[in-house]
Amino acid sequence: GQQLNQSPQSMFIQEGEDVSMNCTSSSIFNTWLWYKQEPGEGPVLLIALYKAGELTSNGRLTAQFGITRKDSFLNISASIPSDVGIYFCAGLNDYKLSFGAGTTVTVRA
Amino acid sequence: GAGVSQSPSNKVTEKGKDVELRCDPISGHTALYWYRQSLGQGLEFLIYFQGNSAPDKSGLPSDRFSAERTGGSVSTLTIQRTQQEDSAVYLCASSLVFYEQYFGPGTRLTVT
Repeated sequence: GQQLNQSPQSMFIQEGEDVSMNCTSSSIFNTWLWYKQEPGEGPVLLIALYKAGELTSNGRLTAQFGITRKDSFLNISASIPSDVGIYFCAGLNDYKLSFGAGTTVTVRA
Repeated sequence: GAGVSQSPSNKVTEKGKDVELRCDPISGHTALYWYRQSLGQGLEFLIYFQGNSAPDKSGLPSDRFSAERTGGSVSTLTIQRTQQEDSAVYLCASSLVFYEQYFGPGTRLTVT
């Protein structure tokens, strides 16, 4: 399948900090999505991006769909303990999602 | 409303045995997907069902893997003659539109 390169692989952040993670691909995607997964649960959709260049916010989360349609980033502002989890980027073409390997976020209180 | 449910939540089986994993999608969702998540990895697409159309099985890793969806609702993923490399979390998702896939909690399969 198509490979998405997600970075960083993991991060330790201080509560209140802003964090950023990104995803790149050699392939073009029509839609980019960001998911969060907590232990023992399936991924939950955070943000969906439909147009190249689009910048979308959902509360403290902001994500952008790269102009080349081959990349996206996710920012979390003013992190809190419940932001802990694994964040996945995913690219969608037709009905198939291709996922990055995830960014594990741990928050230091 | 009720989300996607999967059963069992955990399954330990001996190498060589067959296993069946079940997915109950959200009522009314026409599309159903199976993914596999290995430790520390992203999700790997396995199979896609859409209504009464022929499923897209292109992600199934071998002919030991099969899936069916009965009555356009419940789906079963079957792995025959399990191998240790089959150990993973198997996730099911359903959707009404492609980009809003709702995931179940997964079945953690351990092959000993």
